[in-house]
Amino acid sequence: GAGVSQSPRYKVAKRGQDVALRCDPISGHVSLFWYQQALGQGPEFLTYFQNEAQLDKSGLPSDRFFAERPEGSVSTLKIQRTQQEDSAVYLCASSLRTGSGNTIYFGEGSWLTVV
Amino acid sequence: GDSVTQMEGPVTLSEEAFLTINCTYTATGYPSLFWYVQYPGEGLQLLLKATKADDKGSNKGFEATYRKETTSFHLEKGSVQVSDSAVYFCALSEKGAQKLVFGQGTRLTINP
Repeated sequence: GAGVSQSPRYKVAKRGQDVALRCDPISGHVSLFWYQQALGQGPEFLTYFQNEAQLDKSGLPSDRFFAERPEGSVSTLKIQRTQQEDSAVYLCASSLRTGSGNTIYFGEGSWLTVV
Repeated sequence: GDSVTQMEGPVTLSEEAFLTINCTYTATGYPSLFWYVQYPGEGLQLLLKATKADDKGSNKGFEATYRKETTSFHLEKGSVQVSDSAVYFCALSEKGAQKLVFGQGTRLTINP
């Protein structure tokens, strides 16, 4: 597709369950980002990939959160032993090049509710 | 650390009114500045950006000027439409960094 595609769009998980969220970036985009957006808040940075290399994971809130992009294209964000505070929209974004002025394109997000 | 502070919402205006949404930032260097918009049921979209002081970003009738002296990047539009109803996010990206730092968002509702 033409844009960043995320799946599933909606996920309800029981507390303690593991979840995996998938991101298909725009074809050819080098940079890939994951953000977490709580209800009524702005997105908060989780992690950044340049191709397959995870160059910044400073925003991951705990060791229950893990992200990978093994072939430099599709990425997966995994959350183990989900907690209620993990309920949020998880946004994936990509950009063609690296660099702070480049346009970053966002997907529609994966809405996670932990019950 | 870097941060962005936006005018608190929600903001409700009548069609054709003048819009200002204030945004100020704190950064260690000279960041690039952005406004993103989130329409109902859609993902975040870049509205406009400015990469250096005194630059003006503009798109769809919206404008914002990068003011280094006041560390501000206020969003303005001369005559809003119902279709401008959305949540607006101000954001920055430090030079050499990849990630965006967002404000908390301002919900705008335009009534006909």
